[in-house]
Amino acid sequence: DQQVKQNSPSLSVQEGRISILNCDYTNSMFDYFLWYKKYPAEGPTFLISISSIKDKNEDGRFTVFLNKSAKHLSLHIVPSQPGDSAVYFCAASASGAGSYQLTFGKGTKLSVIP
Amino acid sequence: DAGITQSPRHKVTETGTPVTLRCHQTENHRYMYWYRQDPGHGLRLIHYSYGVKDTDKGEVSDGYSVSRSKTEDFLLTLESATSSQTSVYFCAISETGATLYGYTFGSGTRLTVV
Repeated sequence: DQQVKQNSPSLSVQEGRISILNCDYTNSMFDYFLWYKKYPAEGPTFLISISSIKDKNEDGRFTVFLNKSAKHLSLHIVPSQPGDSAVYFCAASASGAGSYQLTFGKGTKLSVIP
Repeated sequence: DAGITQSPRHKVTETGTPVTLRCHQTENHRYMYWYRQDPGHGLRLIHYSYGVKDTDKGEVSDGYSVSRSKTEDFLLTLESATSSQTSVYFCAISETGATLYGYTFGSGTRLTVV
């Protein structure tokens, strides 16, 4: 059973516009949420995270929003740049004792068109 | 990048042969992970380690074993390779486990089983 879902396999956005990537989760024990970015032939790199005690976290052009009641989070990229073209993975973990692992979604491929 | 190296980077092997992939870190991090990435499946956890000689299974551990005899090395062994194990394998490290700081990933090993 997939606990972290990214239902959009791909997304195309014009340069300068906003990119919105979505992620849903089913495990109510999850309280840490992260976004990773992956370029071809490279490993994923950490982008931004948020804990369940917050509903928004911002880092430059990247903002993550968390809606706990809906079990939904989103990543906003404003303005989008061609270098943002990559696969974005949503990940989650439960911070309770004995939980050491991140669970990842399937990823969304973002294409930013110049 | 961040003191994590995977070897080999590419490997082609025959069905039924054993294969060992190596992950080496210079960060002295306690936690190490092996993931596989496949189209339509995202990143799935194979095994992880929370200390020397301390390992546990992940979501897709069948057909794989691991060993960690020292802090810096985490080995993944495919006991008898099958075509379904053709994939890109990523190692990751973390100082604090699955927290808001996430993992640092290696560059990956592309394994083809023919």
